[in-house]
Amino acid sequence: EVQLLESGGGLVQPGGSLRLSCAASGFSFSSYGMSWVRQSQGKGLEWVSGISGSGGSSDYADSVKGRFTISRDNSKNTLYLQMNSLRAEDTAVYYCAKGNQVLYRSYFDYWGQGTLVTVSS
Amino acid sequence: QSVLTQPPSVSAAPGQKVTISCSGSSSNIGDNYVSWYQQLPGTAPKLLIYDNNKRPSGIPDRFSGFESGTSATLGITGLQTGDEADYYCGTWDSSLSAVVFGGGTKLTVL
Repeated sequence: EVQLLESGGGLVQPGGSLRLSCAASGFSFSSYGMSWVRQSQGKGLEWVSGISGSGGSSDYADSVKGRFTISRDNSKNTLYLQMNSLRAEDTAVYYCAKGNQVLYRSYFDYWGQGTLVTVSS
Repeated sequence: QSVLTQPPSVSAAPGQKVTISCSGSSSNIGDNYVSWYQQLPGTAPKLLIYDNNKRPSGIPDRFSGFESGTSATLGITGLQTGDEADYYCGTWDSSLSAVVFGGGTKLTVL
């Protein structure tokens, strides 16, 4: 059974940093691209970033480019999102999502339960 | 403003059929496969349709997908109260080098 378990969310002040983690199990982690997708309260889905199975390629939404860094540790079956220079508009539930192929430019067949990030003073 | 355009809401009676549209452009729907997701209140999104019209294992055939040119459509027949949810379309945008989603459509089963 595929499981994705996010952690690391919480309350952080504007300008602060936070690192999210997503522990994956039930599939060959290194064989699939992974993404982070966020959703602000009452709003729609927004893709944040994606990374290939090997970790060799990645992309970011313009809204987070230069502030967020996606990475993965295939030996630990874990996906990460390092978030720096956080802004109020980054407040959202962040979902970890599994792609259906080694690249991240695909649909998402499994999603985690999400972790809430709140940026506020 | 979402890259893909969906109606904010649709409604229909139990047992009826509803369609949800998703409009894009040549760099996204016109160039890549479309997927659809169902998000029940308070839960994570769930994959409903992939590659325009394919259903994952466990998704009933009441759900269908169609794509033509730069638009896609999700169809749901035999509506049930349990189908009340937000529905999102998504695809890769070749120009933006990003996954893009529609703004979501809230389905109400009256």
